[in-house]
Amino acid sequence: DAGITQSPRHKVTETGTPVTLRCHQTENHRYMYWYRQDPGHGLRLIHYSYGVKDTDKGEVSDGYSVSRSKTEDFLLTLESATSSQTSVYFCAISDRGRQGQETQYFGPGTRLLVL
Amino acid sequence: GQNIDQPTEMTATEGAIVQINCTYQTSGFNGLFWYQQHAGEAPTFLSYNVLDGLEEKGRFSSFLSRSKGYSYLLLKELQMKDSASYLCAVRGGGATNKLIFGTGTLLAVQP
Repeated sequence: DAGITQSPRHKVTETGTPVTLRCHQTENHRYMYWYRQDPGHGLRLIHYSYGVKDTDKGEVSDGYSVSRSKTEDFLLTLESATSSQTSVYFCAISDRGRQGQETQYFGPGTRLLVL
Repeated sequence: GQNIDQPTEMTATEGAIVQINCTYQTSGFNGLFWYQQHAGEAPTFLSYNVLDGLEEKGRFSSFLSRSKGYSYLLLKELQMKDSASYLCAVRGGGATNKLIFGTGTLLAVQP
């Protein structure tokens, strides 16, 4: 358990509304990531953070923004939700594993449905 | 480009052995990871390889050949609870620890 929580766990919203998903970690990890997971596409990186106020884009960042104002929280915002953003969103942190490697550990996920 | 290939689905029998293959083409290589994901749940870390050869962890083993861009996950003494998706992921170059994931292999274990 890497001490990661996500909220909300489920959300239904309408097209055009803003949505913010929260990822919270309790163990002071530097790196945090947001992924989406869709059938046939696997996990795709949206944005990641390498420190407070330090963020960068992943492969599917269009339509998403992020903020990290403190170490423990990484927020993902859909400024104007579209049906194509219906997905399962996972947050992850990076921590050193048993073999000394940096390993990503995932939060429980948020299921988002955009109608 | 960057590409990771895995079979989409596999079926195996309880008590048997199954091998899930993964081939990759990435710009830079800094380790290969296997994750297990049960339906409706988050991926959980299974194994890591960065050098060629076999890493064994209980019933699960993972193999890597960097020259061939190839890995496999070997599951022995299959149990019904091993029914899940298995995700292969490669960490490329750079210091950001970013992973590139394959689309996953859905394994169904039958009695």
